[in-house]
Amino acid sequence: DTGVSQDPRHKITKRGQNVTFRCDPISEHNRLYWYRQTLGQGPEFLTYFQNEAQLEKSRLLSDRFSAERPKGSFSTLEIQRTEQGDSAMYLCASSSGGRARDTQYFGPGTRLTVL
Amino acid sequence: DAKTTQPPSMDCAEGRAANLPCNHSTISGNEYVYWYRQIHSQGPQYIIHGLKNNETNEMASLIITEDRKSSTLILPHATLRDTAVYYCIVRVDNTGGFKTIFGAGTRLFVKA
Repeated sequence: DTGVSQDPRHKITKRGQNVTFRCDPISEHNRLYWYRQTLGQGPEFLTYFQNEAQLEKSRLLSDRFSAERPKGSFSTLEIQRTEQGDSAMYLCASSSGGRARDTQYFGPGTRLTVL
Repeated sequence: DAKTTQPPSMDCAEGRAANLPCNHSTISGNEYVYWYRQIHSQGPQYIIHGLKNNETNEMASLIITEDRKSSTLILPHATLRDTAVYYCIVRVDNTGGFKTIFGAGTRLFVKA
């Protein structure tokens, strides 16, 4: 257990529905990351927060995806109008390191299945 | 961005040392080498990182060549629980962001 928690651990939804995932980082960590991982692939970066500011978003993050970190603590990732291609593991990580040594600690992930 | 090259899979006998290689020939002078592993259905787990010098912690040792173009992760006494995908990563600092770019990694099978 790294101290990063994610909820829910599993989510099954029907195509077209909206889903929201939550990530609680390690309490003193000011950076929070979202990644997506499909079967057989390494995690792919989606977005990154420093405190409550969203500083970078991948082109993978389409208009249907939105992430927030309103108070600089927990974060939510929402997917609107889900598609079957959204089926993946969604991973959250947090860190507090300096510029060149940003060790990220990952949560257990939320596995999304879109039917 | 520096990229890494790893063998897709390796086998290791239980109790023996597992040596996982990684090539990162385009690494920049201020970029660190990180290793993570991912056991099936879990999130990636940090193992170790280094810049120039060899590093050791309770999980593993990291050997970085003098020219920094390659490194080796050593698990000194592999157990069945070390079966996982191991990712070698070079930290990318892109316009202030700290995203981590994962490759496909090396799938290590530890056999009894």
